[in-house]
Amino acid sequence: DVVMTQTPLSLPVSLGDQASISCRSSQSLVHSNGNTYLHWYLQKPGQSPKLLIYKISKRFSGVPDRFSGSGSGTDFTLKINRVEAEDLGVYFCSQSTHVPPTFGGGTKLEIK
Amino acid sequence: QVQLQQSGAELARPGASVKMSCKASGFTFTTYTMHWVKQRPGQGLDWIGYINPSSGFINYNQKFKDKATLTADKSSSTAYMQLSSLTSEDSAVYYCTRRINPDAMDYWGQGTSVTVSS
Repeated sequence: DVVMTQTPLSLPVSLGDQASISCRSSQSLVHSNGNTYLHWYLQKPGQSPKLLIYKISKRFSGVPDRFSGSGSGTDFTLKINRVEAEDLGVYFCSQSTHVPPTFGGGTKLEIK
Repeated sequence: QVQLQQSGAELARPGASVKMSCKASGFTFTTYTMHWVKQRPGQGLDWIGYINPSSGFINYNQKFKDKATLTADKSSSTAYMQLSSLTSEDSAVYYCTRRINPDAMDYWGQGTSVTVSS
């Protein structure tokens, strides 16, 4: 299985700061069709995960442009500009290029 | 709007089975594959498997092939997952989610909590 490693585990931020989360995969996530199926989710306390970014950098419906994704191959980054209180929670990266789909261990974004 | 409405929390004895449901609305059920994901308290996410409601094809994560049984009813747009021979390791929240393979799982149900206790 593809192992997804996220850093940091915890990310204390002040509201209005920029936050950056890293995700590394144990093998390339480039699919045979040329796409890279690397996605980001946010899970708020007591809620189910919500899709933020799919295929590295595409924002899902309704996701503010404060969220951006980048990367290629095995190294990916989620950036959040001007962090707001509603952004707090646990962020997961996920790959669906390979079977089984796998998830990173999560990064908890919290108030400093 | 897309909704995946999951059945309520379950409390079960060790060795028992539970069957949970995921009713889809707001989209064409047979266009998507329906996936199930496990999350233990304070833990990450673990993919269990998926069913294609249109073809009936099922693919399990090897870790769960003897634990989970996936079914779907096209007439009611509902996906089901049965977990058997329950142990404390099965205590978790289970999510259903939809996907067009190999793209992202885009919408998720609210989760069904399973507690295994004697």
